[in-house]
Amino acid sequence: EVQMLESGGGLIQPGGSLRLSCVASGLTMTNHAMGWVRQAPGKGLEWVAAITGSGSGTYYADSVRGRFTISRDTSKNTVYLQMNSLSAGDTAVYYCVKTGERRVVFFDYWGQGTLVTVSS
Amino acid sequence: QPVLTQVPSASASLGASVKLTCTVSSDHITYAIAWHQQQPGKGPRYLMNLTRDGSHSKGDGIPDRFSGSSSGTERFLTISGLQSEDEADYYCQTWGPGVVVFGGGTRLTVL
Repeated sequence: EVQMLESGGGLIQPGGSLRLSCVASGLTMTNHAMGWVRQAPGKGLEWVAAITGSGSGTYYADSVRGRFTISRDTSKNTVYLQMNSLSAGDTAVYYCVKTGERRVVFFDYWGQGTLVTVSS
Repeated sequence: QPVLTQVPSASASLGASVKLTCTVSSDHITYAIAWHQQQPGKGPRYLMNLTRDGSHSKGDGIPDRFSGSSSGTERFLTISGLQSEDEADYYCQTWGPGVVVFGGGTRLTVL
């Protein structure tokens, strides 16, 4: 059974940095693209970043490109999202997601989410 | 990049059927999509992926009441025999070279 558990969320001041982690079990990370999707309070879903199963491809939404970095450690079956230069607009629940193949396609499993609040 | 359009809200009666629509931008008529459900206070759940020709593959444990179909730029999610737990937000998602896109979501109210 696939399980994905996010951590690392919390309250952070504007301009600060935070690193989210997603530990995946029940899957081999090299066989799946992984990603992050966020949801601001009362808003819809917004894709943030993704990494291919090979690890060679990383992709970002325009709103976070240059500030966020997605990476992974296959030995720990963990995906990370390093978030820098945070602003109030980054406040959201961040969900870890996976696809059913190495390419970035549709997401077929969602984690339970971790809340990031950017506020002074 | 592709654009997905969804009406913000829909409603239907308990036990009835409802058909939700996700419209793909005309330049991306061949694109497949996925449907996701988000019940109140919960995280999203994958329902199915749906191709241009209407073939679909559902996620684990998704009831037979949920089905998908396509016509032109429109991708549909049909829910039959509506139950109270079907009251939720429904999002469509697609993908292209280096990009993932979500529709704005449809909030379904079960009357």
